[in-house]
Amino acid sequence: DTEVTQTPKHLVMGMTNKKSLKCEQHMGHRAMYWYKQKAKKPPELMFVYSYEKLSINESVPSRFSPECPNSSLLNLHLHALQPEDSALYLCASSQAYQSSYNEQFFGPGTRLTVL
Amino acid sequence: AQKVTQAQTEISVVEKEDVTLDCVYETRDTTYYLFWYKQPPSGELVFLIRRNSFDEQNEISGRYSWNFQKSTSSFNFTITASQVVDSAVYFCALSGEFNSGNTPLVFGKGTRLSVIA
Repeated sequence: DTEVTQTPKHLVMGMTNKKSLKCEQHMGHRAMYWYKQKAKKPPELMFVYSYEKLSINESVPSRFSPECPNSSLLNLHLHALQPEDSALYLCASSQAYQSSYNEQFFGPGTRLTVL
Repeated sequence: AQKVTQAQTEISVVEKEDVTLDCVYETRDTTYYLFWYKQPPSGELVFLIRRNSFDEQNEISGRYSWNFQKSTSSFNFTITASQVVDSAVYFCALSGEFNSGNTPLVFGKGTRLSVIA
């Protein structure tokens, strides 16, 4: 199984809502990533989890709160978002974070619209 | 600092034409890895290839081929006999040495390829 799954596929939320994005992989990977991608731009790294611990936070605003309940699951909790946060949110996983050798496998993304 | 440059923002070709997507990278690391990803309209990034800095052999996979030239810091991607299904955004990416404090994966800005029937 070389698949990373993400739910939901689409999400529309108001600025006062609280919602969560979910990501799951069953490849035994120990590193998981959240990326944000705006239209016609490359993905931008937000967070990296390695062995279920947060390793990188790329100065992401606190209205985005990641969580890694176990090695297969990664959540992104959203609260009080702004319209400019509308984007495609991609999850990825790799065998290990500490090795530049490992390719990252990406999920299909969640297309988020903030009204 | 690491950097990946994809100078071609958009390319349009007619089906069955060959097309080459350019990628130039910058890094001070001795060991590094280069990647190509495909992003179709559905949004998912699909891994295509990984190449390490010590392996300059060109690679061919079906209609896809990659040319890695360390002397020019380039890792170009050629699609032979393009098909409509090749229409996508293609990203070149670089991963350097972990202890250099590098971002795990540095992406180029992408090249949008449109193959017209």
